[in-house]
Amino acid sequence: DIQMTQSPSSLSASVGDRVTITCQASQDISNYLNWYQQKPGKAPELLIYDASNLERGVPSRFSGSGSGTDFTFTISSLQPEDIATYYCQQCDTLPTFGGGTKVEIK
Amino acid sequence: EVELVDSGGGLVQPGRSLRLSCEASGFSFDDFAMHWVRQAPGKGLEWVSGISWDRSRVDYADSVKGRFTISRDSAKNSLNLQMNSLRAEDTALYYCVKDRDVGITWYFDLWGRGTQVTVSS
Repeated sequence: DIQMTQSPSSLSASVGDRVTITCQASQDISNYLNWYQQKPGKAPELLIYDASNLERGVPSRFSGSGSGTDFTFTISSLQPEDIATYYCQQCDTLPTFGGGTKVEIK
Repeated sequence: EVELVDSGGGLVQPGRSLRLSCEASGFSFDDFAMHWVRQAPGKGLEWVSGISWDRSRVDYADSVKGRFTISRDSAKNSLNLQMNSLRAEDTALYYCVKDRDVGITWYFDLWGRGTQVTVSS
């Protein structure tokens, strides 16, 4: 199985801050990397696919980059509605998820 | 409205069985692969199983292989998960999830609200 290591596990930032989450794969997955947002008590939602492509309807303050084994997810200006846990997921082989990053407002 | 409605969860004793169902609406069910993903209490996400649009390909996580069986019914626009020999570690919220393609690609673009399965004596 491909292991996905996500960091940090949690972070606290102020409204308007730039937030960055990293995800590392245990082997090369090219760009087969997706990012999901899970708000408290809700099901996850796909935000970014193929490492850097924004899903339809997702605000442009969200972005992703990377390839191979190292990936980055960024919120350019944190908003109160972005409070959630974010997960990376590789889709190169049988899918595995990162451990999640809980984002809170400072 | 595009929607997945999960059902069938409950409290079950270890070693017993349970069958989950998911009803799809608002999209052409036969045009997409489908999956189950679970989330243990306070934990992260774990993919469980997937089935292609025509049932030609079925995949399982090692943790459930040989115990769980995924199936789909085009007439009822439904996805099912038969879970046998349940263990305490199967306790989780189970999500029905739509793939973005006919084949299994593991891009999960629509999720149900989940149905809770608790395995305990």
